[in-house]
Amino acid sequence: KAGVTQTPRYLIKTRGQQVTLSCSPISGHRSVSWYQQTPGQGLQFLFEYFSETQRNKGNFPGRFSGRQFSNSRSEMNVSTLELGDSALYLCATSMGGLNYGYTFGSGTRLTVV
Amino acid sequence: DQQVKQNSPSLSVQEGRISILNCDYTNSMFDYFLWYKKYPAEGPTFLISISSIKDKNEDGRFTVFLNKSAKHLSLHIVPSQPGDSAVYFCAASADSYGQNFVFGPGTRLSVLP
Repeated sequence: KAGVTQTPRYLIKTRGQQVTLSCSPISGHRSVSWYQQTPGQGLQFLFEYFSETQRNKGNFPGRFSGRQFSNSRSEMNVSTLELGDSALYLCATSMGGLNYGYTFGSGTRLTVV
Repeated sequence: DQQVKQNSPSLSVQEGRISILNCDYTNSMFDYFLWYKKYPAEGPTFLISISSIKDKNEDGRFTVFLNKSAKHLSLHIVPSQPGDSAVYFCAASADSYGQNFVFGPGTRLSVLP
């Protein structure tokens, strides 16, 4: 079965621009979480969506937002990009049961110049 | 302040021997823990989980031990194989849905042939 698909794989943007990243979960997975990975901070939780509703949110500024569609696909948007937003953005999807863990996509590498 | 710590940034082990990866946490509300491994250019892969009602969970070559009083968990890999060489993250969650995981910074394991 297809895994978690994140697009695009790589992205270069300039400061001040905005960006939208996409995550398509495994069929049947209704929960989508977004994480930011940087060398200094490791993996940090951004937010989680379930059935088109944001269910959990991490400690990121309002420039980071997301949404989920009826087919469970999710998008993450970052506005007014800053150099520090350069990171690998990972989404993780789940059927919902804790015993299954979460399946991660390969991520989108965002570089802000 | 890091709530989940992996104090060893790297670990080298001989093939066939035991690998022990350690993780400490500070938040006593954490009651669900996961281990992931990550290869370069790929998203993290779920390995094994444990909830606070258990002190041990085993899955093939992987065993996770949890010591709640010490706020410490460890992942044992026996026997270690070269394909186990990767970065290992532990993650902890306190919320009832098991989302909003806090990840440690990771330990890079190198299994030498």
